[in-house]
Amino acid sequence: GDSVTQMEGPVTLSEEAFLTINCTYTATGYPSLFWYVQYPGEGLQLLLKATKADDKGSNKGFEATYRKETTSFHLEKGSVQVSDSAVYFCALSGGSYDKVIFGPGTSLSVIP
Amino acid sequence: EADIYQTPRYLVIGTGKKITLECSQTMGHDKMYWYQQDPGMELHLIHYSYGVNSTEKGDLSSESTVSRIRTEHFPLTLESARPSHTSQYLCASSEQGMINTGELFFGEGSRLTVL
Repeated sequence: GDSVTQMEGPVTLSEEAFLTINCTYTATGYPSLFWYVQYPGEGLQLLLKATKADDKGSNKGFEATYRKETTSFHLEKGSVQVSDSAVYFCALSGGSYDKVIFGPGTSLSVIP
Repeated sequence: EADIYQTPRYLVIGTGKKITLECSQTMGHDKMYWYQQDPGMELHLIHYSYGVNSTEKGDLSSESTVSRIRTEHFPLTLESARPSHTSQYLCASSEQGMINTGELFFGEGSRLTVL
């Protein structure tokens, strides 16, 4: 069945460091891919998305490219800030399953 | 800013009590969902609805029940709460018929503690 795997955390970075959170997926068909972010004490919110192969989603300095050949959607940011401390979820929809499939989440802490 | 609201945000109750977690959205979305989020952060779908009078069980078995009498309202009820029900509950909604968009709008969550 469809699934999403992402790197385990927690991840701790210094401010202005480069961030990569790996995400790979298994799905039939042509899913859309998403990154959601959950700030402390809040619900999830959509960070970025890509709906077809080679699309790049971007928002707030974060980027991810839909790579069908490697079934990946890695999240990157060139210079993280303390305010980026949150839990990040990779997700897919539109595969063989009529719901959104979430990865297990990766906790990021950015220290000054 | 998402127009989906959950109440209460925090609730501490004793074992055996009946509780209802409220979820309302003003976006006119047909699909609504309840997720349970464990301390390890992972999300588990426990209920969802395609629209009025539609309710389905999710991937994780839950002793809770839901109803969908109005499009905007999707409450979750526990008839007799137990400590194992202690968790964060997240409500979400999405538009019906948007193939492959899958974008979910989440409420801020209800954190339930059962003593």
